[in-house]
Amino acid sequence: KNEVEQSPQNLTAQEGEFITINCSYSVGISALHWLQQHPGGGIVSLFMLSSGKKKHGRLIATINIQEKHSSLHITASHPRDSAVYICAVRDTGNQFYFGTGTSLTVIP
Amino acid sequence: EAGVTQSPTHLIKTRGQQATLRCSPISGHTSVYWYQQALGLGLQFLLWYDEGEERNRGNFPPRFSGRQFPNYSSELNVNALELEDSALYLCASSKGTHGWSQPQHFGDGTRLSIL
Repeated sequence: KNEVEQSPQNLTAQEGEFITINCSYSVGISALHWLQQHPGGGIVSLFMLSSGKKKHGRLIATINIQEKHSSLHITASHPRDSAVYICAVRDTGNQFYFGTGTSLTVIP
Repeated sequence: EAGVTQSPTHLIKTRGQQATLRCSPISGHTSVYWYQQALGLGLQFLLWYDEGEERNRGNFPPRFSGRQFPNYSSELNVNALELEDSALYLCASSKGTHGWSQPQHFGDGTRLSIL
């Protein structure tokens, strides 16, 4: 049983397309993070959410606490957005759980 | 500002040996987290240290242990290495004591290979 489920697992998009990655979780959480992992392995923290919506440039993250669901949106996708996107949560017991990631490929 | 640094980059060991991995957090960060990413699997939480104390640990056996030093650097020790311990071990640091209430900054990882 995975506490965090992501969809889709793999996603291929044309440059310029609008992309949505979904994350559902089954535990009560105190924080949710979206992470980006590039092929070399390096991980960058994109967003930290506990409620509402955040925006950084072309990236938007939303969370619905009642529905236990978060989405990561990428507007005007670009080949440099190609990476694995990982949803991660901290539950109310200070345990940390990760989704298995969504592998995104943006084709020029 | 220097990022999170991990050493060594690669480590090769044989079954039954012990491995020590090191992490230096960003200056001013007091929390250090360790994660395991085995090939084909997602990230798994190993350990969280803050202000020198172990705050929580994930679902790993006791042969995975570590510590945090007064300068907030940390080391992860893995005893009695098993083949399935082969993985990328990532360290991350953040400000604050409330675990993930601040953005995490990740190191590039140590790739541990067990022969």
